[in-house]
Amino acid sequence: AQSVTQLGSHVSVSEGALVLLRCNYSSSVPPYLFWYVQYPNQGLQLLLKYTTGATLVKGINGFEAEFKKSETSFHLTKPSAHMSDAAEYFCAVSEDTGFQKLVFGTGTRLLVSP
Amino acid sequence: DAGITQSPRHKVTETGTPVTLRCHQTENHRYMYWYRQDPGHGLRLIHYSYGVKDTDKGEVSDGYSVSRSKTEDFLLTLESATSSQTSVYFCAIRGIAGGPGDEQFFGPGTRLTVL
Repeated sequence: AQSVTQLGSHVSVSEGALVLLRCNYSSSVPPYLFWYVQYPNQGLQLLLKYTTGATLVKGINGFEAEFKKSETSFHLTKPSAHMSDAAEYFCAVSEDTGFQKLVFGTGTRLLVSP
Repeated sequence: DAGITQSPRHKVTETGTPVTLRCHQTENHRYMYWYRQDPGHGLRLIHYSYGVKDTDKGEVSDGYSVSRSKTEDFLLTLESATSSQTSVYFCAIRGIAGGPGDEQFFGPGTRLTVL
């Protein structure tokens, strides 16, 4: 069965600092991996996804993630945090069963201080 | 904007009462999903639909039923609400590219409180 582990329920950074949010997955087949962001009182919005091909994936708002099969990881990074990045971030995995059922991690809340 | 609305947006109800949440889409997407979001659990799949009258259970389906009589509407019903069903409920639709790794688009959510 698929699963996702997000290390750290809260991550605090200063504005301008590197953002690193960790995601490790478990899947019996090549996975499809996603990062979603949730701003307060809103639904989820896709940041980026990995399906096949290039392992470094670029997303919206300056975020990127690298798929590392050997480490079963898909960590999210951004070189310089902005106050507007404060939100909750979810990593998710899907196997190609045709139904595209997502399994989410428990989320990481990013706090950005001035 | 993926054209997804959820109603109601907020609801307070009492234990033992039936509750129906509605998800409406304007995009004519085939696949629709219901998730619940709880602190410490992320989002968990309750039920999903892959066409009119075609539905299946997700990870946390006990106590929930769904119906889809029209492409645009996916209803989630709590037959007899319990306090453990207090949660935020999200509806999602799958992108229509039809390939692996399709994005899911999420509605704004319904906050349900069961007293």
